[in-house]
Amino acid sequence: QKEVEQNSGPLSVPEGAIASLNCTYSDRGSQSFFWYRQYSGKSPELIMFIYSNGDKEDGRFTAQLNKASQYVSLLIRDSQPSDSATYLCAVIGGSNYKLTFGKGTLLTVNP
Amino acid sequence: NAGVMQNPRHLVRRRGQEARLRCSPMKGHSHVYWYRQLPEEGLKFMVYLQKENIIDESGMPKERFSAEFPKEGPSILRIQQVVRGDSAAYFCASSPPAPNTEAFFGQGTRLTVV
Repeated sequence: QKEVEQNSGPLSVPEGAIASLNCTYSDRGSQSFFWYRQYSGKSPELIMFIYSNGDKEDGRFTAQLNKASQYVSLLIRDSQPSDSATYLCAVIGGSNYKLTFGKGTLLTVNP
Repeated sequence: NAGVMQNPRHLVRRRGQEARLRCSPMKGHSHVYWYRQLPEEGLKFMVYLQKENIIDESGMPKERFSAEFPKEGPSILRIQQVVRGDSAAYFCASSPPAPNTEAFFGQGTRLTVV
């Protein structure tokens, strides 16, 4: 079982729609959860982090964490073409502090 | 307020040469991660270090690769006797001393082995 799993996509949504990105993780003791955005040819950029169960909102972004289901999601409201990128889910494990990434989901927002 | 600095941004090496990649963490950060990324693929964990200590090197190939983070100076990822398969983007990220905190990435070093 992979440590962090994401649908590779591509996920295509029209401009103005809500994009929903999902991630599951295998280490039940994981403490911290992150979403990074990576444009083609660029380095990953941190956009959200969440440590507690529930929702965390920041502008158009909402991160959701459900530790019982070992599930993290990212919602992007009012999606813009500039949101088109690969979104990487990352988790810090419970037994060590290794930051492990999923393979990423490619999001395309169509004008 | 400089971010994570990696150099060089681009590095070309002939097969058999050595590659040295440098990473200076953000101010106040004492932990560094190194990742490798092949085109169209995800970030593959290589090593996690704090100053003068390797915390987790489970992702490092057993041969030719080494990493260090000395008390003074940048973290270094060293690849000896490079082969074409080492061509990739290498990213480092730094984080503060506290566990379970956010990590921020440098711009990466694109290594090309010819």
